[in-house]
Order: sequence, then C-alpha cells, then structure tokens
Amino acid sequence: ETGVTQTPRHLVMGMTNKKSLKCEQHLGHNAMYWYKQSAKKPLELMFVYSLEERVENNSVPSRFSPECPNSSHLFLHLHTLQPEDSALYLCASSQDGVAAARDTQYFGPGTRLTVL
Amino acid sequence: DQQVKQNSPSLSVQEGRISILNCDYTNSMFDYFLWYKKYPAEGPTFLISISSIKDKNEDGRFTVFLNKSAKHLSLHIVPSQPGDSAVYFCAASNSGGFKTIFGAGTRLFVKA
Repeated sequence: ETGVTQTPRHLVMGMTNKKSLKCEQHLGHNAMYWYKQSAKKPLELMFVYSLEERVENNSVPSRFSPECPNSSHLFLHLHTLQPEDSALYLCASSQDGVAAARDTQYFGPGTRLTVL
Repeated sequence: DQQVKQNSPSLSVQEGRISILNCDYTNSMFDYFLWYKKYPAEGPTFLISISSIKDKNEDGRFTVFLNKSAKHLSLHIVPSQPGDSAVYFCAASNSGGFKTIFGAGTRLFVKA
C-alpha cells in the first residue's frame, strides 16, 4: 500500500449505531487531518494531529471522536450521528507537523458516509 | 462566512483552449495558496502552490496568478485537455497555523 488509505470506502449507519473510520498513511508524515465534505460546500477541517497530539479541534460535535494511536494511523469514532452528518469524510497527511499550514497535504480517497 | 470563495461552480472549455479558474479570499493574513484537483472516487491531489511573496508560479501547463491587492488568485490551464476534467479546489493558509481553508470547488469540463 502506498499513500493514504481509508476504510471503509462506503458506510451506511443508523443514528444509534457506533462505527469507526480508519485512515493509514504510508508516507512517513508527522501530521494527519480529518475533513468533512458535504455536497457543494467547502472541505471543512475537523481535526488536526501533529506528532500524535491533537492541535486543532474545529468546534466539532462530540459525537465525532478522533484517535491517533501513532503517526501512521488516525481513526474517527462515530456515535449517535444525525442524518445531516452524511458526507464524504477525507483523511489527509502532511510532512511537517510543526509548519503544517504550508505543507502539501496528501489525501485519501474518502469514506462516503450515509446516516439513516 | 466563507474565507475562500470559488464563485463558479462549473466551467466548460473546449480542448486546446485556456481554462481559467478563479478564487477570492477575504483574510489578509493568508500568505500561502494552493490548488488541488479531485477526480470522482479519489481524494484531492496537490496541483500547484504560490507564496504571497510571488505573483506568479508556473508548472508546465498550469500557472497560478496572485493579486494580493484584490485578494484574488486564478489558475490557468493551457492547453486544456479532456483529462483535466475534474473538480478544482482553491485553498489558503497562513504561516504558523495548522489550518488550510478550502473553497467549495469548481467543476471543470474539457470537451474533446
């Protein structure tokens, strides 16, 4: 595997379910990100981890819970979601955890989430 | 309030002609700008960037122009090819922060 991978690619869940999205980067990067992309809206930054520490939490509801056990893996735990949370969830990584704003971000293919 | 705006949701261009994608921003603290391209079922991929100390950066068929006074940047693709058909995202960031702010994207169709 190369680059940034995300599993699952598609997920349908009920509002009472608990599920997790997984992201893995094989690039040796120090920073990882979760974004949400809703239809016809900009990518919304959700969380940033730099060197395995959360450095940005962009006012995301607590029903989304990130976890970064090491520099290569990032999870997004989901529970009691709402239908409006249906979107494409993108994971990204970048080289330098300190100056991440100027780094090129490498994106995974995304998880298409549908909440019923 | 969107800090990075791409006001054209779509653009259609004939193969061989120039494609011009526009982007406006509101935050004068932004000092680094990027363009990403996204194909269906794939994540965005980096295309080209420009620092605020420059007003032009060129890479092959792709050129980005930055007008700081107007808070405007544009991506020129010449000549356009059918394989350039994708969604193009403009993004901006400022030094020392971790946030890159993205626009909503412009879908480019290049007709053969």
